[in-house]
Amino acid sequence: DGGITQSPKYLFRKEGQNVTLSCEQNLNHDAMYWYRQDPGQGLRLIYYSQIVNDFQKGDIAEGYSVSREKKESFPLTVTSAQKNPTAFYLCASSMTGKVNTGELFFGEGSRLTVL
Amino acid sequence: GENVEQHPSTLSVQEGDSAVIKCTYSDSASNYFPWYKQELGKGPQLIIDIRSNVGEKKDQRIAVTLNKTAKHFSLHITETQPEDSAVYFCAGPSGSARQLTFGSGTQLTVLP
Repeated sequence: DGGITQSPKYLFRKEGQNVTLSCEQNLNHDAMYWYRQDPGQGLRLIYYSQIVNDFQKGDIAEGYSVSREKKESFPLTVTSAQKNPTAFYLCASSMTGKVNTGELFFGEGSRLTVL
Repeated sequence: GENVEQHPSTLSVQEGDSAVIKCTYSDSASNYFPWYKQELGKGPQLIIDIRSNVGEKKDQRIAVTLNKTAKHFSLHITETQPEDSAVYFCAGPSGSARQLTFGSGTQLTVLP
């Protein structure tokens, strides 16, 4: 089945530690995205990538980093500089880098809790 | 960039009744408005979208209307069923259509 796989589903981290969330897609999509979801705030864009080896900051990139070394993979690192990292993180992909040409396909999310 | 506001934040309806969720947007150049449904513990899924060259689009029990002059669009769900209970998000393109800006979401509960 084609889709987006996020792992881990649940993750606990101590303050001061970096953590990396995995996102893999087998849809052969060019573009990939990371969103953060907090209660009552909808989905906020962290980073996005339209092609391999290129990515751009979204609205809330501070404290996060990404890489796009392969088309199918777009890992997100939550660094110790992120002041409030506890959240639900969603990875998505789209066929092209223009979101008005087609839908976003989302993974099932990773819930990060900082202890 | 685009600013999308969504109302209400929570909505409860009796099974069989209709539900309406409304969104407003700020960028008059926006031309694509999708709606996503998120079930508990899952990622959002596209349920319907509309482009600025049409005023209404229907898909079975779901419809979306767009008023470009007023810069608002709405999701209409008729004959609601328990499986319609979920969080619904509207969205609009921003950044030269390279990203979507999402509304804050509406928790719809269909009461049996």
